Amino acid sequence: GQNIDQPTEMTATEGAIVQINCTYQTSGFNGLFWYQQHAGEAPTFLSYNVLDGLEEKGRFSSFLSRSKGYSYLLLKELQMKDSASYLCAVRAQTGANNLFFGTGTRLTVIP
Amino acid sequence: DSGVTQTPKHLITATGQRVTLRCSPRSGDLSVYWYQQSLDQGLQFLIQYYNGEERAKGNILERFSAQQFPDLHSELNLSSLELGDSALYFCASSPRDAGLYEQFFGPGTRLTVL
Repeated sequence: GQNIDQPTEMTATEGAIVQINCTYQTSGFNGLFWYQQHAGEAPTFLSYNVLDGLEEKGRFSSFLSRSKGYSYLLLKELQMKDSASYLCAVRAQTGANNLFFGTGTRLTVIP
Repeated sequence: DSGVTQTPKHLITATGQRVTLRCSPRSGDLSVYWYQQSLDQGLQFLIQYYNGEERAKGNILERFSAQQFPDLHSELNLSSLELGDSALYFCASSPRDAGLYEQFFGPGTRLTVL
């Protein structure tokens, strides 16, 4: 089976840095994705890690440790528009592209 | 705009009924995925099609079925609907069925079963 855990909610202040953690236990591993989803809207792709280490993309960075089954998404210089749910997803199978999602972390950015 | 289209945007129906949700992938994408998102659950993978053929199956109920047509659009059929089927149904597409491809999500169909 697949098990992906994220905190349910987080609150952070505008301009600050926030780290959203994700731990996973899956039958296989072939990459970890982070998506952003505003309420009632489609998820949009943020980042992808398949090897250990940090991937940086502007204000967003994502880290992966395969041996620990752990990833985090780091958001810097928080803006009000960053208030959204952040979804961690694992591609568990080699040769297939379907994703298993965690329940998501709802981030609220306050002034 | 991801380039993935879904119709209808909203659907309200009664228990026991049958509905069809439609998805058109991004131009050039061969793979289509269906996900269900309920209020208390994350995105649940239902089924994937690649170039007309079923590629992977997730937690899809027997009352649900899907297909991908030669023009690559896909339909998700939900029958004998129950209150618990009320959810957002997302379609996503990617160029291929495997490899380092992100999935692009459509705007979703909100299904309400009364």
